[in-house]
Amino acid sequence: DTEVTQTPKHLVMGMTNKKSLKCEQHMGHRAMYWYKQKAKKPPELMFVYSYEKLSINESVPSRFSPECPNSSLLNLHLHALQPEDSALYLCASSQVPLAGVQYFGAGTRLSVL
Amino acid sequence: GEDVEQSLFLSVREGDSSVINCTYTDSSSTYLYWYKQEPGAGLQLLTYIFSNMDMKQDQRLTVLLNKKDKHLSLRIADTQTGDSAIYFCAEEGNYGGSQGNLIFGKGTKLSVKP
Repeated sequence: DTEVTQTPKHLVMGMTNKKSLKCEQHMGHRAMYWYKQKAKKPPELMFVYSYEKLSINESVPSRFSPECPNSSLLNLHLHALQPEDSALYLCASSQVPLAGVQYFGAGTRLSVL
Repeated sequence: GEDVEQSLFLSVREGDSSVINCTYTDSSSTYLYWYKQEPGAGLQLLTYIFSNMDMKQDQRLTVLLNKKDKHLSLRIADTQTGDSAIYFCAEEGNYGGSQGNLIFGKGTKLSVKP
């Protein structure tokens, strides 16, 4: 089983809202990733968690706040987003941090009004 | 710097073979990857190849790797309409001395005509 589950699949939020994206994997992977993908573009790395600790933050604005409560779960908390933050947010995991195959979830399509 | 280049579009007829090409820059990449993305969906790992291999075959998929020219290709035999999607080539970047963050090409949109 190589499944990474993301919820919700779609999210519409206003610029003053607070919302969270959730990602779960039960493959025993020790690294989890958040990517952002704009339309007709490749995914861009946002954050990497290695062994439940934030190891990479690709200069992401503070209105995006990641959290890794345990080795199976990754959240992305959203606050005061801008319309240009509308995108597909993809979660991925790999067995070893920054090495080997990354498996992706189906993504959350976010629209900021 | 690290860069992955792909042609943006490919159109084939159902039943034909499709070949999607990719060039990459990081010769220290341990693995190279092909991901498939259908409209509105996430990325599906199609296949990957270890850098010391020249070829990998998996059912209808054949991956060829030319390390000297830093060229990777994906051949899909007997292409079906269900193969219509965007195909991303990816290499492993070098992040602070660690290999493994993925550097994606812009993606090749494969259209399969009946």
